[in-house]
Amino acid sequence: DIQMTQSPSSLSASVGDRVTITCRAGQSISSHVNWYQQKPGKAPRLLIYAASTLQSGVPSRFSGSGSGTDFTLTISSLQPEDFATYYCQQSFNTPLYTFGQGTKLEIK
Amino acid sequence: EVQLVESGGDLVQPGGSLRLSCSASEFLFSHYLMTWVRQAPGKGLEWVASINADGGEKNYVDSVKGRFAISRDNAKKSVHLQMKSLRGEDTATYYCARAGSRYSSAVWGNTFYMDVWGKGTTVIVSS
Repeated sequence: DIQMTQSPSSLSASVGDRVTITCRAGQSISSHVNWYQQKPGKAPRLLIYAASTLQSGVPSRFSGSGSGTDFTLTISSLQPEDFATYYCQQSFNTPLYTFGQGTKLEIK
Repeated sequence: EVQLVESGGDLVQPGGSLRLSCSASEFLFSHYLMTWVRQAPGKGLEWVASINADGGEKNYVDSVKGRFAISRDNAKKSVHLQMKSLRGEDTATYYCARAGSRYSSAVWGNTFYMDVWGKGTTVIVSS
């Protein structure tokens, strides 16, 4: 199994802040990382795939980077609707997937 | 509208069985790998099972192997999760998700991602 470790597990920030969430894979996975946003009571939403490709319809303030074992999701200027939980996921081992444990982004 | 709709969630006793279904619309269902992902109350996402486009390859997370079975009916555009010997730790919202794929220069090949999700169906295992 490929473990995915996210940090931090929670984060407090203000509207307009720049925020970075990190995900580390237990082995090299090239750029096979996806990022999802989930709001309470809702299904996850794909934000970024292949580490850095923005899914259609996702605002450009979201960006992703990394390859190998270390990956980041950055929100350049937080908006009120961005307060949610974020998950990384490896797809290197498709069709077996692993998610990170999640990062809850809260309003400061 | 591209859509997935799950059904079948219920309250079931430990040791019991349940069959979840997911109905797809407005996309070429038979072309896609399909997955089930679950989320226990207050916890994170956990991939549960995958089935390839023609149903010939099935994969499971270790904790459900031998108890859960994924299947699909491409003619009816549906995917199912048969669950037996249910345990308290199977209590969760179960999501059906489509695994899209695209060529990416970042990986010099195809990459996969879950781009369409249903709203989920809730399974509670309790006496």
